[in-house]
Order: sequence, then C-alpha cells, then structure tokens
Amino acid sequence: EVQLVETGGGLIQPGGSLRLSCAASGFSVSYEYMSWVRQAPGKGLEWVSGIYGGGRAFYADSVEGRFTMSRDNSINTLYLHMNSLRAEDTAVYYCARVNHNYNYFDYWGQGTLVTVSS
Amino acid sequence: QSVLTQPPSVSGTPGQRVTISCSGSSSNIGTGHAVNWYQQLPGAAPKLLIYVTSDRPSGVPDRFSGSKSGTSASLVITGLQAEDEADYYCQSYDSRLSASVFGGGTKLTVL
Repeated sequence: EVQLVETGGGLIQPGGSLRLSCAASGFSVSYEYMSWVRQAPGKGLEWVSGIYGGGRAFYADSVEGRFTMSRDNSINTLYLHMNSLRAEDTAVYYCARVNHNYNYFDYWGQGTLVTVSS
Repeated sequence: QSVLTQPPSVSGTPGQRVTISCSGSSSNIGTGHAVNWYQQLPGAAPKLLIYVTSDRPSGVPDRFSGSKSGTSASLVITGLQAEDEADYYCQSYDSRLSASVFGGGTKLTVL
C-alpha cells in the first residue's frame, strides 16, 4: 500500500528556516517523480517543487532560490528545505507522487502545517 | 490569480447533474497536456478523481466523468449525493511556466 507521511511543520518567524520530511512506503521514491504542493488557509492548491528520479529538482517562481527539494533514497524520504520564510509561505504542505508521463498526482500525504508569523 | 479558471462555487440537489468547468490556454490544456481532477473533502488531503481527461482511478464511481475541448475541460457529476460535497480542483501542466498548474477550486454544495 502506498503511503506518504509528512512531518516537520510548525510555527516559525519570518526569515527563519524549516525542513519538512515526507516518508514514503509501498514504492521507491528513487524511481518516481515526487512533488510538494501547498495550500494556504482557505485557498487553493499551489505546486511548489518537484524532483525526478534522476535527482533534478524544479521549483515554482514563488519559492525559487529559497526552497530546496531533496531526497534520501536509503530511507525512502523526501525533504523540503525552506529558507527566508515569509508570511505568504504559511500553508499546509503536501507531498505527492506524480505520474511523470501525464503529470497527475496519484497519491498524497495528509499534509503538515507551516505557519510563518512573529 | 490561478492559471486555470474554475467557477468558485456550484450547487445542486441530490440526484441532479452538475458540471464544473476549467478554462485554460494554449500553453496548458490547449497544447494537449493531460487534465486531471481532484476532490478535497473538508479537512482532508486532495484525492485524485479523474486523470488524463476522463479516466477514473479504481474506486471512483462512474458518476464522475471528465471531458476536454480546446482549451477547456469539464467535470460532470451525475446522480449527485450528499457525500459529493467538497472542493474540486482541475490541474494540468503549463509549457510556458514549466510547472504543474491548478485551478482555483470549485466548492460544490449539495442542497
């Protein structure tokens, strides 16, 4: 059974850093295209970043240069390193597995809430 | 402002048919990129509902169907049920942005 479990969210001051984790089971992240998607309170879904099996990562313009997506294949876990956090980064962050041929998000985690506030 | 445009809300009574539209452009839906739909129940994570325009994952009732024409797509729900009350999002890939893009979401209310 495919499962994704995000952890690491919390309250952080503007300008701070945070690392989110996404533990995967039921498949190997090293072979799949994986993404982070966020949802601000009461708002819609926003794609944040993605990483292919080969390790190349891509980012939305809104987080380029501040966020870094990585993975540890040995423990089947994804990470989202977030720096220079802003109030507008406040959101529930979901990790998701993506079908790389047709770009659909077939499995989602339960999400972890990041609140950027002083 | 979302790249894909959806109506903020739709409503219907049990048993009715409702349609949710998703309008894109020549850099996403119009180029032939797959259109996908997600259902988000209150307080839950999104769930894949329709993929590649009209395919349903295992377990999704055939009351849900999708279609696409030109730069737009639609999600149709027939035989509306109370449990269908949720937010629905369309999604595609945008070649100009080199990014996955979502619609702003449509809140379905079952009256």
